[in-house]
Amino acid sequence: EAGVVQSPRYKIIEKKQPVAFWCNPISGHNTLYWYRQNLGQGPELLIRYENEEAVDDSQLPKDRFSAERLKGVDSTLKIQPAELGDSAVYLCASSAFNSPLHFGNGTRLTVT
Amino acid sequence: KQEVTQIPAALSVPEGENLVLNCSFTDSAIYNLQWFRQDPGKGLTSLLLIQSSQREQTSGRLNASLDKSSGRSTLYIAASQPGDSATYLCAPTVGTSYDKVIFGPGTSLSVIP
Repeated sequence: EAGVVQSPRYKIIEKKQPVAFWCNPISGHNTLYWYRQNLGQGPELLIRYENEEAVDDSQLPKDRFSAERLKGVDSTLKIQPAELGDSAVYLCASSAFNSPLHFGNGTRLTVT
Repeated sequence: KQEVTQIPAALSVPEGENLVLNCSFTDSAIYNLQWFRQDPGKGLTSLLLIQSSQREQTSGRLNASLDKSSGRSTLYIAASQPGDSATYLCAPTVGTSYDKVIFGPGTSLSVIP
């Protein structure tokens, strides 16, 4: 089974620039998560989708972050404009009902 | 709000030792609990998932226990190997919507050959 695929693997941008991350979950997984992980910390949930519906986006900074999951499969997470404090690893995960989460390798974002 | 803590933050042991990693969570109303492993620069890999009705789960040299009433879980690693060196994170599933997974900060394990 193919795993969760994320791209790009690394991204370096200047502050105030936009950036987008892409995630392709495991086939058949209805639930998709975006997490942000800072160095030395556990992942923090940004948004969770059930199929194409965002069921939990309470932690998403909506003034600059947006996300979508078209047709309940692939998802994109966007930041516009980026700030220095957005530097982190952005992780995508997917799961079936009551099953373990499967993570991609993440996108390491550096904002300069 | 669910808070998850893990003790110790870092651990260094000689190869062959048995070890225990601890996880505590403040809200005992969890749906299940997962233990993950994270290697440097990589995503997380699921090791074990314990349902709220279970007391423990085993996979090879790994054994995870769950005590919901006290808000605790432990991960036991037998006969540690250098390849076990990684960060281990626990993650209870909480809330009224069963798929909200909250992560602890992790325990960084180093197994010395």
